[in-house]
Amino acid sequence: DSGVTQTPKHLITATGQRVTLRCSPRSGDLSVYWYQQSLDQGLQFLIQYYNGEERAKGNILERFSAQQFPDLHSELNLSSLELGDSALYFCASSLSGDSVNEQFFGPGTRLTVL
Amino acid sequence: AQTVTQSQPEMSVQEAETVTLSCTYDTSESDYYLFWYKQPPSRQMILVIRQEAYKQQNATENRFSVNFQKAAKSFSLKISDSQLGDAAMYFCAYRSYLNSNSGYALNFGKGTSLLVTP
Repeated sequence: DSGVTQTPKHLITATGQRVTLRCSPRSGDLSVYWYQQSLDQGLQFLIQYYNGEERAKGNILERFSAQQFPDLHSELNLSSLELGDSALYFCASSLSGDSVNEQFFGPGTRLTVL
Repeated sequence: AQTVTQSQPEMSVQEAETVTLSCTYDTSESDYYLFWYKQPPSRQMILVIRQEAYKQQNATENRFSVNFQKAAKSFSLKISDSQLGDAAMYFCAYRSYLNSNSGYALNFGKGTSLLVTP
């Protein structure tokens, strides 16, 4: 158990819908990363937050957005869902926002878009 | 952007034998980190081993060791005395040392599926 929690574990929805994925980082960790794992694209970095502020962006679609709240939990919002958005979404956390500290991964949320 | 290549989609090893998984990467940076992550059927991402590019000594964690060749941009993982529980997808990953456009995010290869046979 990494100490990172993600809810829900599974999510099934329809095209065009909007969903919210939630992540609680390890106690004391200030930085949160979101990754998407799909069959065709592999594991890709989406976005990073550090202490409530966006730190870096990767291959995140405009239909997707995220935020980190004062209690440091983070939410990833996916809207106008398409079939291709079906994937495993991971959240990872680290103590700080720099390169030194390890990233610990949550168990992931499996999103299925029908 | 840094690219990470794992040229072996699948590998197989017998229990108690040794297997080596390959990884190459492309970067113009001189300082960075390299990782191997294991993803078993549970889908949990588990850190296996990490290597700092400025360290010449290859990292070792119990049965897992790496062969880091900085000039060749190669980072292979050796698993000794393979066990059934080693069966998983293994991902090689790169992380910048300094703040780059992608911050300190991990840049993953496509993965190698390791099968361990009794």
